[in-house]
Amino acid sequence: DVKVTQSSRYLVKRTGEKVFLECVQDMDHENMFWYRQDPGLGLRLIYFSYDVKMKEKGDIPEGYSVSREKKERFSLILESASTNQTSMYLCASSIQGVGSNQPQHFGDGTRLSIL
Amino acid sequence: GEDVEQSLFLSVREGDSSVINCTYTDSSSTYLYWYKQEPGAGLQLLTYIFSNMDMKQDQRLTVLLNKKDKHLSLRIADTQTGDSAIYFCAERAGATNKLIFGTGTLLAVQP
Repeated sequence: DVKVTQSSRYLVKRTGEKVFLECVQDMDHENMFWYRQDPGLGLRLIYFSYDVKMKEKGDIPEGYSVSREKKERFSLILESASTNQTSMYLCASSIQGVGSNQPQHFGDGTRLSIL
Repeated sequence: GEDVEQSLFLSVREGDSSVINCTYTDSSSTYLYWYKQEPGAGLQLLTYIFSNMDMKQDQRLTVLLNKKDKHLSLRIADTQTGDSAIYFCAERAGATNKLIFGTGTLLAVQP
């Protein structure tokens, strides 16, 4: 079974802090994704990566950056946290292979509160 | 651009069937997925259907796809209280690694 592990289930930070959310997958997947989930808005894609050191912006990248130094690890960085970044953050991974079945496998999420 | 829509809420009685509906706009969708999210947890893949199929059954779950109307549904037979969760449909459009998710349907099962 695919295992996607997010380092924290709950996190509380202060406005202006630099925040790191970590995600590790154990299935040698090429693709990794960061989403945020807010009530009534579903999942919105922040950034994704299809290879080490590669990244692409999703739908809402403003205020975030990412790092993928190793294949198994994808980090989401809030450069200067703000209260509107309080949310549930979900990491996912999938295999490469355009045209084939590539479900995304999710971690348990990190509920981040910015005070 | 691509868009996936779902109704926000569905309430059923235990033992009844639940039908959760989803519409999407991208006609080049190749695979469509249903995920389940229990409170405080991540998304769990339930089932998927390839776009050249119109039905897939997996135990209590039946997925129906009407490609002409771009309509996807998930039927849960004999709904149990443990089925209470948010259900997301997602489409994988053409030559892309991304999934487009709907807003999720909260299924409440009354005992």
